[in-house]
Amino acid sequence: AQSVTQLDSQVPVFEEAPVELRCNYSSSVSVYLFWYVQYPNQGLQLLLKYLSGSTLVKGINGFEAEFNKSQTSFHLRKPSVHISDTAEYFCAVSAIRGGSEKLVFGKGTKLTVNP
Amino acid sequence: NAGVTQTPKFQVLKTGQSMTLQCAQDMNHNSMYWYRQDPGMGLRLIYYSASEGTTDKGEVPNGYNVSRLNKREFSLRLESAAPSQTSVYFCASSEAVTGELFFGEGSRLTVL
Repeated sequence: AQSVTQLDSQVPVFEEAPVELRCNYSSSVSVYLFWYVQYPNQGLQLLLKYLSGSTLVKGINGFEAEFNKSQTSFHLRKPSVHISDTAEYFCAVSAIRGGSEKLVFGKGTKLTVNP
Repeated sequence: NAGVTQTPKFQVLKTGQSMTLQCAQDMNHNSMYWYRQDPGMGLRLIYYSASEGTTDKGEVPNGYNVSRLNKREFSLRLESAAPSQTSVYFCASSEAVTGELFFGEGSRLTVL
């Protein structure tokens, strides 16, 4: 079975500062990796995903994430955040088994961007 | 471009009342899911349906029932609501190969 650990439940930063949201996973098989974002009082939307190929993945709104297989990590980064990036971010993993696999989610990281 | 649509968006119930949350997707996905989201708990899977005609329990199924009416629709029923079921409920469907989830906008349920 897979599991996901988001190491920080809350991350406060100032506007225009860089940010990194950490995600580690555990799996005995190869995985697909996802980051979702949830803005206040909204549903979850996909920010970016790693399926194969380049380990550096670029997503919407200037976010990127790097897949590190040896460290089983998929950390999310943005070089300069805006107030509008205030949201909750969820890391998720699914196993590559050739069939329909359920996503396993981390508990989320609340990013608060202060002026 | 509807994606996943769930209704109602808001509902207030009294303890013991029943209700059904409706969900429909237009992406021709086989798999559909119901999650609940509570502060500090992340997303917890209630039930899922891997295909039309099948349903399976997730992490927190007690107090809920589901029906996969057809490929498009997956409903969640609370037979006798309890205050512990106060939550935000999300329906989702998933792409077959990667499991990528597509979410509805959520239904905020309050049980008094």
